[in-house]
This record gives sequence, structure tokens and C-alpha cells, in this order.
Amino acid sequence: GEDVEQSLFLSVREGDSSVINCTYTDSSSTYLYWYKQEPGAGLQLLTYIFSNMDMKQDQRLTVLLNKKDKHLSLRIADTQTGDSAIYFCAESSISGGYNKLIFGAGTRLAVHP
Amino acid sequence: DGGITQSPKYLFRKEGQNVTLSCEQNLNHDAMYWYRQDPGQGLRLIYYSQIVNDFQKGDIAEGYSVSREKKESFPLTVTSAQKNPTAFYLCASSPIDRGQAGELFFGEGSRLTVL
Repeated sequence: GEDVEQSLFLSVREGDSSVINCTYTDSSSTYLYWYKQEPGAGLQLLTYIFSNMDMKQDQRLTVLLNKKDKHLSLRIADTQTGDSAIYFCAESSISGGYNKLIFGAGTRLAVHP
Repeated sequence: DGGITQSPKYLFRKEGQNVTLSCEQNLNHDAMYWYRQDPGQGLRLIYYSQIVNDFQKGDIAEGYSVSREKKESFPLTVTSAQKNPTAFYLCASSPIDRGQAGELFFGEGSRLTVL
């Protein structure tokens, strides 16, 4: 069945780059997403990539998609303390005409001085 | 401002009681969803609705019920049949237009604790 996996924790020094990795199983996913969740809050969409793209860049964020290996990554350049949050990878899956999102468990990013 | 409002933010319940979590959106979205979040696990889909007066079970619907009498509202009832109800509950909405990327818009969540 559909599954999305990501590592649970990542710790980086302020100013360094962070790379959060994700693997997914549904090769028919049209879009793949990265959501950010700050403590005690809902999720906010950070960025998404269409499945026929290899890379998408948006300011400090770079998304890389390796469709062959079903691997998605999110790179945050010049990581700041405000980037500390949980980052969720999600794949889209069409089920009964409905676009269902399958989420990973989330990677908790800790940024330290 | 447009958005999704969940209430209450925190809720305590005694075992055996039903509780209802509210979710209201003014984004004019057709689809609405309820997810459950537990530590170290991804979001799991409880119920979803694409249109008024219609809803579908998600992956973990047992012990929950919903209604969709208005486009703007999708309340979730956690019944006493739910064996482990303590969790963080997230409501979301999205437009149905296939031309869009399927982005979900989330509320701020409701944390339910069973005493």
C-alpha cells in the first residue's frame, strides 16, 4: 500500500544547510509536498513539486525529486532558529476520484547556535 | 481573513463521554478532512467530505462520527467507542478543482486529553 517514510530527527547548526529526506511508494503520485508544523499549531504548506520535475527552488528552499528511486528531499539553506519545526513529506494518491494525501511521520528539525 | 477555525484548542474528557470538535472554514472549499496526529506518527485520516451531506471513512474512522450539513462546517464527534482518543486533531480543507495542486489548508488543531 501507500507509505511515506522519513527520519524522525535532524539537528543542525545555525547558518548551515539542512537536508530532510523522504521516500514514498506511490509511483503515480502527481504532486509531492513539504509541510511545516510549528509547536502546537496546524500544518502549513511550504512547497510542492509536480512529479514531472526534478528540482524546484524557492528562495532558501530547494526540493529534489528522484522519481526512479521514489526519493524526495528538502534542502533549507542558511538554516535559522525560526526554521525549528516538524517537517512533513506527503504524496498525493487518487482514490475514488479524490486526491488523498499520505503523510510521513515528520522530521523534527532542531537548530542550535 | 479567510481560514479554518477549530475549537476548542484544548479539551479534557472523562472516559465514557462523547465530545464534539468544531471545524469551520470560510475559504469556500468543497472538501474537508479530519486527521489525527500522534507523536512519532504521520497524520492519519479519520473522515473526509467532498460535498455537503456526503462523507467518507478514512483509514481510522472507528469510534468517530462526522456530519456535513453546511459547506462551511465539518464537526467531528469522538465517541466513547474510540479506545485511545487522546491525540491532536487537525481539520483541513481544500478546493476540489483537479487543475490545482491539491494543497490542504489546516486549522490550528484541537488537543483532546482523556482523563
